[in-house]
Amino acid sequence: DTEVTQTPKHLVMGMTNKKSLKCEQHMGHRAMYWYKQKAKKPPELMFVYSYEKLSINESVPSRFSPECPNSSLLNLHLHALQPEDSALYLCASSQVGQGAVAVQETQYFGPGTRLLVL
Amino acid sequence: ELKVEQNPLFLSMQEGKNYTIYCNYSTTSDRLYWYRQDPGKSLESLFVLLSNGAVKQEGRLMASLDTKARLSTLHITAAVHDLSATYFCAVDMDSNYQLIWGAGTKLIIKP
Repeated sequence: DTEVTQTPKHLVMGMTNKKSLKCEQHMGHRAMYWYKQKAKKPPELMFVYSYEKLSINESVPSRFSPECPNSSLLNLHLHALQPEDSALYLCASSQVGQGAVAVQETQYFGPGTRLLVL
Repeated sequence: ELKVEQNPLFLSMQEGKNYTIYCNYSTTSDRLYWYRQDPGKSLESLFVLLSNGAVKQEGRLMASLDTKARLSTLHITAAVHDLSATYFCAVDMDSNYQLIWGAGTKLIIKP
């Protein structure tokens, strides 16, 4: 099973709203990722969690707040977003290499949440 | 700084033809990934290439890696319409969770 699920599939929100995106995987992967993808562009990494700890934060504005409650779940809390934040938000997960050095493994992507900020 | 360049960025071809997408990267890396993305959809993992000379095939798609030339190719044989999609290559930043992505190649295969 290489399935990553995301909810909701679509989200429309105003600039004053608070919403959350959810991601779940049951592949036993210990690395989970949030990406943002604009049309006709490759995905941009936002956050990485490794063993439920925030490992990478790619200078993302504080209106995006990630959370990893356990090894299977990843949330992205949204608050006071701007119209330019409208995009496809993708969650991904991967194995983590053994030993002290993290080794990149294939990332499996969820179906994404298409976000529109009005 | 690791950079990944794909070419062509856009490719329109007829069914039944063969073509190759190229992915060049600027510094040493041991892992290269190919992904497919259909319009409005997510990214699907196609291949991971781990070592010099690696070749993988799935149906009409074949990917190869030349680490000395820092080049990977995705070859399409006897293209069919269902292969129309955007194809991305991505290279890892050793010992890091980050992938460096190519810009993507939008492939349109006309019946």
